[in-house]
Amino acid sequence: GAGVSQTPSNKVTEKGKYVELRCDPISGHTALYWYRQSLGQGPEFLIYFQGTGAADDSGLPNDRFFAVRPEGSVSTLKIQRTERGDSAVYLCASSPRETQYNEQFFGPGTRLTVL
Amino acid sequence: AQRVTQPEKLLSVFKGAPVELKCNYSYSGSPELFWYVQYSRQRLQLLLRHISRESIKGFTADLNKGETSFHLKKPFAQEEDSAMYYCALSRTGGFKTIFGAGTRLFVKA
Repeated sequence: GAGVSQTPSNKVTEKGKYVELRCDPISGHTALYWYRQSLGQGPEFLIYFQGTGAADDSGLPNDRFFAVRPEGSVSTLKIQRTERGDSAVYLCASSPRETQYNEQFFGPGTRLTVL
Repeated sequence: AQRVTQPEKLLSVFKGAPVELKCNYSYSGSPELFWYVQYSRQRLQLLLRHISRESIKGFTADLNKGETSFHLKKPFAQEEDSAMYYCALSRTGGFKTIFGAGTRLFVKA
C-alpha cells in the first residue's frame, strides 16, 4: 500500500509568512509524529498524536508552531511568522498501534526554506 | 535530560571488514533504543530495535546499561550498507523519540 506522504515536497517562503505542511499517514495508523531535521543533524521531535489528540507536544519550539489532526488521519503542521531559523526538512511518521514498539514509518519530508 | 550521542560523523571501511557504529545515551529511566537507517534517496526506516533482540541485514546491537551504549555492529561490511545511520531513544512506555546526529557509513570496494 501507499506509504506516508507529505506535501508539498518543497516550500520556499519569505520571513514573516505563514506556512502549512501536510502529512498523510498510512491508512489505519493511529499514531503520528512530526520531526524537524536541520542540516547535519538527526530528526528533532516536535509533536506526537494519538488519534486526534496531541499526546506530547513538548518538542514544539515556541508558540509559532502548531499542529492539528482533526479526524485522526491527516495532520497539518502550521508555522506562523516564519523565521530564517525555521528552514529545515520537516518529517512526518506514523505507527500502526499506540505502542512505542511499533516502528515508525517515515514520509519523504517537506523541505522548508525561509528567505 | 535525554541525549543520544553518535561520536563519529563519518565512518569509512573496506568491504568485508568489521564495522561498529557507536551510540551512547544519557537517560535517567529505562530507555528503549533503536537504530534507523537512511539509504541514498530513500526514506528513513527502522533497522532494528533493542527490545526485539534481532539481527537485521547482518547487523546486531547490544544494549549495555552499565556503559549506556547501544553500538551497532556487523562482522563483514557490504557496499550496500553505505548509508546514514541514526541511533534513537525513547522512554519505556513513552513515544517521544530522541535521535542522534547520525553517522554516515561508507563501505569501499
